[in-house]
Amino acid sequence: EVQLLQSGGGLVQTGGSLRLSCSASGFNFMNFAMTWVRHSPGKGLEWVATISGSSRSTFYTDSVRGRFTISRDNSRKTVSLQMNNLRARDTAIYFCAKELVLRGYSSGWFESWGQGALVTVSS
Amino acid sequence: QSALTQPASVSGSPGQSITISCTGTTSDFDYDFVSWHQHHPGKVPKLIIYEVNNRPSGVSNRFSGSKSGNTASLTISGLQAEDEADYYCCSYTGSKTVVFGGGTKVTVL
Repeated sequence: EVQLLQSGGGLVQTGGSLRLSCSASGFNFMNFAMTWVRHSPGKGLEWVATISGSSRSTFYTDSVRGRFTISRDNSRKTVSLQMNNLRARDTAIYFCAKELVLRGYSSGWFESWGQGALVTVSS
Repeated sequence: QSALTQPASVSGSPGQSITISCTGTTSDFDYDFVSWHQHHPGKVPKLIIYEVNNRPSGVSNRFSGSKSGNTASLTISGLQAEDEADYYCCSYTGSKTVVFGGGTKVTVL
């Protein structure tokens, strides 16, 4: 059974930093691209970033590029999202997600999701 | 990376069929990477359609998808109370990025 267990999140001031982690089990982690998706009441679901299985490629939505960094450790089966220079509009629940099929980038077919972590950015 | 356009809300009575549209640019749907996710507030989203019209194992066959030109659609037939949720379309954009629609709230009357 695929499981994604998230940690991290919390309250941070504008301009601050947070790190989210996602620990995977139940599948061959190194073969699958992993993605972070966020949900906010005003914007709904939003794709944030994807990392290929080998870590060779990373992809970001425009609004976080240069501030967020996605990374993974295949030996520990974890994927992380380092978030710097946080802004109020980054306030959301952040989910890690596993792709349905083997591909070096996201197709948006997220078959498994972590439980979510709330990130609140306050001034 | 503009969001795909969905109606804010759709409603129907139990047993009826409803269709949710998802509109983008023609390039948004150049690939058959359209998917739909169901999201009950406070819970984890769930993939219900991928590759335009395929259902993951365990998903009810009351959910079906289609695509024509720059519009994708999700149809829920035999509407049930448990179908009341938010629904998001999603598409690969061709530049290794993904875009979601704004979401549609489905209400079962």
